Amino acid sequence: IAGITQAPTSQILAAGRRMTLRCTQDMRHNAMYWYRQDLGLGLRLIHYSNTAGTTGKGEVPDGYSVSRANTDDFPLTLASAVPSQTSVYFCASSDLAGGPDTQYFGPGTRLTVL
Amino acid sequence: GQNIDQPTEMTATEGAIVQINCTYQTSGFNGLFWYQQHAGEAPTFLSYNVLDGLEEKGRFSSFLSRSKGYSYLLLKELQMKDSASYLCAVLSNDYKLSFGAGTTVTVRA
Repeated sequence: IAGITQAPTSQILAAGRRMTLRCTQDMRHNAMYWYRQDLGLGLRLIHYSNTAGTTGKGEVPDGYSVSRANTDDFPLTLASAVPSQTSVYFCASSDLAGGPDTQYFGPGTRLTVL
Repeated sequence: GQNIDQPTEMTATEGAIVQINCTYQTSGFNGLFWYQQHAGEAPTFLSYNVLDGLEEKGRFSSFLSRSKGYSYLLLKELQMKDSASYLCAVLSNDYKLSFGAGTTVTVRA
């Protein structure tokens, strides 16, 4: 069982380019999340999805979009990257059925926007 | 929203005990998590408290006081591999996690 996978592992991107970060989980969790982690700021929620077909905005959603076409995949798209989006991006999932549950994190994508 | 505070750094000696405090102010509370994150890696789950009191798991224990908005993570018999960042996170009523900035613990021989 792989758990949660993310791709790419790292990426250097020119400002203004479009980029999609991929996230796939095989635990059949209904909820998935995208966070960014910046030094001194901790993890901040970008977008989330409580179940396939629904998405919601987190603390820092501007400049990002997500989709949840099925249970397993939750891609994050930067439509036009800017240098302030340089960060480490973590995808996570949890099973909300029956109440709160632990969030499990993918290995992360290190993104540099120049 | 959530306001979560924890110390930035702590240093301790191998074999010692370290206590990482976390205070929070929240508009809704559905539990508190502690995660461990080694440099360059993903956060991994350590503990979850939703009721007041102490939860013990081997060398790690976590305490919660909801009335005081306070939690701590206690690491006993420190080992070099415990050098990592420890993240305090509060779960809101709509199941969103808000994280503190993390406490970097350095264990010295």
